Amino acid sequence: QKEVEQNSGPLSVPEGAIASLNCTYSDRGSQSFFWYRQYSGKSPELIMFIYSNGDKEDGRFTAQLNKASQYVSLLIRDSQPSDSATYLCAVMGASKIIFGSGTRLSIRP
Amino acid sequence: GAGVSQTPSNKVTEKGKYVELRCDPISGHTALYWYRQSLGQGPEFLIYFQGTGAADDSGLPNDRFFAVRPEGSVSTLKIQRTERGDSAVYLCASALRAGGPKDTQYFGPGTRLTVL
Repeated sequence: QKEVEQNSGPLSVPEGAIASLNCTYSDRGSQSFFWYRQYSGKSPELIMFIYSNGDKEDGRFTAQLNKASQYVSLLIRDSQPSDSATYLCAVMGASKIIFGSGTRLSIRP
Repeated sequence: GAGVSQTPSNKVTEKGKYVELRCDPISGHTALYWYRQSLGQGPEFLIYFQGTGAADDSGLPNDRFFAVRPEGSVSTLKIQRTERGDSAVYLCASALRAGGPKDTQYFGPGTRLTVL
């Protein structure tokens, strides 16, 4: 079992709809959870971090964390073509961050 | 500088050669991380520094890989006797500190290493 698992996609969502990206992790001791966006040929850029159970909203983005289920998700409202990218879930344990393989998101006009 | 910088942006070398990849972190950031990313995969942790010392090098694949950060700022990743399987994008990230729940890492643009 991988430490951080994501569906590789591609996930195709119509413009203006909600995109839902999911991630599960294996280490119950994980403390912090991050969502990064990576455009093709570019380096990852941080979208959000969350470390408490529940929801955290920032503009069109909402991160959701359920530590009991070892599950973290990212919702993107009013999806735009510019949201088309690979979304990486990252989980911090004691000292280092483990990344998932990413979910490729495609927003179709 | 404003962000993390890495040099060179591209490096092509021959199998068996030695390469050095450089990372210049954000000023004031004490934590520095090296990752390797292959096509279609997420970044794979290699090593991280807190200050000058390597706090966790458990991700280095073998003893051909070595990294230093002698003055607690710039870091160099060194790869000896390169192999074709070492071809990847090598990413560096820095953070204000390491291990805290809000330890946000900021990535550099990466070095694309190609071993022929």
